[in-house]
Amino acid sequence: EPEVTQTPSHQVTQMGQEVILRCVPISNHLYFYWYRQILGQKVEFLVSFYNNEISEKSEIFDDQFSVERPDGSNFTLKIRSTKLEDSAMYFCASSEGWAGYTFGSGTRLTVV
Amino acid sequence: KNEVEQSPQNLTAQEGEFITINCSYSVGISALHWLQQHPGGGIVSLFMLSSGKKKHGRLIATINIQEKHSSLHITASHPRDSAVYICAVSIIQGAQKLVFGQGTRLTINP
Repeated sequence: EPEVTQTPSHQVTQMGQEVILRCVPISNHLYFYWYRQILGQKVEFLVSFYNNEISEKSEIFDDQFSVERPDGSNFTLKIRSTKLEDSAMYFCASSEGWAGYTFGSGTRLTVV
Repeated sequence: KNEVEQSPQNLTAQEGEFITINCSYSVGISALHWLQQHPGGGIVSLFMLSSGKKKHGRLIATINIQEKHSSLHITASHPRDSAVYICAVSIIQGAQKLVFGQGTRLTINP
């Protein structure tokens, strides 16, 4: 069964550092997403990406965040100047549209 | 106000019991998803519904569009069903992004 692959599974970073979270979506999917889940809270939408550009972003997705699809397979989330409150589980997902929604196993980011 | 509400927040049951988790939403949707999150954190898609009912093994999901309500049922529950079950909706005007409920933590005791 096709999978969405995320790396690393866990990252610890110093406050103020930049991190890049990586994702390989399912190859024939067209829509890509990043979500995050702060410990004990519900999953929240960050950004969606279609046709090589951002299709929608949440209020959380400010100038600190950026996404890229640097080649035909990878989809990255960059967080600049990390803050303690950025500590969370970050999930990548991809979909064919309304159907075929698949999540990665997540990257647990800890900012110290 | 939360757009997606689940009940109960926590549910503990004995092995073999019939389980029902409810989800209500307040917005127009194109689809409703039931997801499972295990203690390690990964999210697995169980069902996507836009109408009616779907069944997969011991899991059954139903949706009533008019009442804006969905239920997830587990028959003959087993300790391995212990997980957080999450309802999420695709909003009609929201591209394909999902809006999540807060989850229901299910514990099945042997």
